Amino acid sequence: QSALTQPRSVSGSPGQSVTISCTGSSGDVGAYNYVSWYQHHPDKAPQLMIYDVTKRPSGVPDRFSGSKSGNTASLTISGLQAEDEADYYCFSYAGTFTFVFGGGTHLTVL
Amino acid sequence: QVQLVQSGAEVKKPGSSVRVSCKASGGTFSDYPITWVRQAPGQGLEWMGGINPLLGTAKYAQKFQGRLTITADESTSTAYMELSNLRSEDTAIYYCARGGYGSGSYSVDPWGQGTLVTVSS
Repeated sequence: QSALTQPRSVSGSPGQSVTISCTGSSGDVGAYNYVSWYQHHPDKAPQLMIYDVTKRPSGVPDRFSGSKSGNTASLTISGLQAEDEADYYCFSYAGTFTFVFGGGTHLTVL
Repeated sequence: QVQLVQSGAEVKKPGSSVRVSCKASGGTFSDYPITWVRQAPGQGLEWMGGINPLLGTAKYAQKFQGRLTITADESTSTAYMELSNLRSEDTAIYYCARGGYGSGSYSVDPWGQGTLVTVSS
């Protein structure tokens, strides 16, 4: 299983929007609507931000949204805030009870 | 609210094995799978495998086949991850998380606090 492809880094100014892409294949991202996104601050456990491509757990701000087109899923963060600076990972079901992460994207809030 | 608490940091010699525990509280243990994920220094998150505690069945990433064993003890609400034949590249923070394994559970949340495993001679 190859890791899903994410940009290594993205950046934006407070109040702006950024989008992080996650490209897989017809065997994972493209095959299932089971992509989730995790925010990971250093020295903390990762936190679920989006699941099943577009759904947001309770407590996650509606500034975070997810989408998918073909083999590429995306996480959009609008109204950037300083506390959004973190690493973000996508995670997709790949069939037969297997999963795969993206390589991770570091978000810098300028 | 489900909480996962992992065992403490470990230092191991190359070639040895390590077992990390993950104790769940605040919910019914067998209701959800447990997934194991690791993060090596400077690297991203890596899915290792998962277990369905109700069925006792586990699935492993191909990379770890033959070296990784994931088990679950319903009586103590504890899942275990055992990695054998350790090498320096296995130095990482190991996390357990609730969910994954498919069959209606395709995301993982919450996560344990992480366990640092250091492999060094």
